[in-house]
Amino acid sequence: DGGITQSPKYLFRKEGQNVTLSCEQNLNHDAMYWYRQDPGQGLRLIYYSQIVNDFQKGDIAEGYSVSREKKESFPLTVTSAQKNPTAFYLCASSLERSNQPLHFGDGTRLSIL
Amino acid sequence: GESVGLHLPTLSVQEGDNSIINCAYSNSASDYFIWYKQESGKGPQFIIDIRSNMDKRQGQRVTVLLNKTVKHLSLQIAATQPGDSAVYFCAENVQGAQKLVFGQGTRLTINP
Repeated sequence: DGGITQSPKYLFRKEGQNVTLSCEQNLNHDAMYWYRQDPGQGLRLIYYSQIVNDFQKGDIAEGYSVSREKKESFPLTVTSAQKNPTAFYLCASSLERSNQPLHFGDGTRLSIL
Repeated sequence: GESVGLHLPTLSVQEGDNSIINCAYSNSASDYFIWYKQESGKGPQFIIDIRSNMDKRQGQRVTVLLNKTVKHLSLQIAATQPGDSAVYFCAENVQGAQKLVFGQGTRLTINP
């Protein structure tokens, strides 16, 4: 079945450590997104990519980095510069940039040790 | 500014009753709206969408109503079932901004 796979489901980060969250999709979607979700809040956009080798900052990009070397993959790195990384991270994809529903993965929960 | 908010953070209904979840938006340039359902520990799941040239759209047991005059969006779930328990988010796309703005969500609880 087509879909979006995020891994790992749970991730722990030590102080000063960078961690990378994986997101893979086999839906042949051009656009991919990373959102952060905090308890009791909606989703906030971190980064998005419309095509391979291109990406743009969202509303809360500081302390994060991404790459888009392949259409199917859009990994997110949470760097040590992100001082409050504990959250639920959601990856999504869509056929085109706007006016299309996003298809979400099941998320990665990141916690600080 | 751009914002999507919900009138009620929690909603409890009896099994079998109809549920109505409301959402207010502030940007009159928004041209596309989506409702998502999120179960605990999972990603949001698409329920139904509506474009700004429509007032109403129906799916299986769900109806979305759009009132552009008062910038209000609602999701109606008919004959609510235990499996409908989840957090429901509305999201809007602002024309030209090319991004979805999500509301905070409403937790729907079904009472037996």
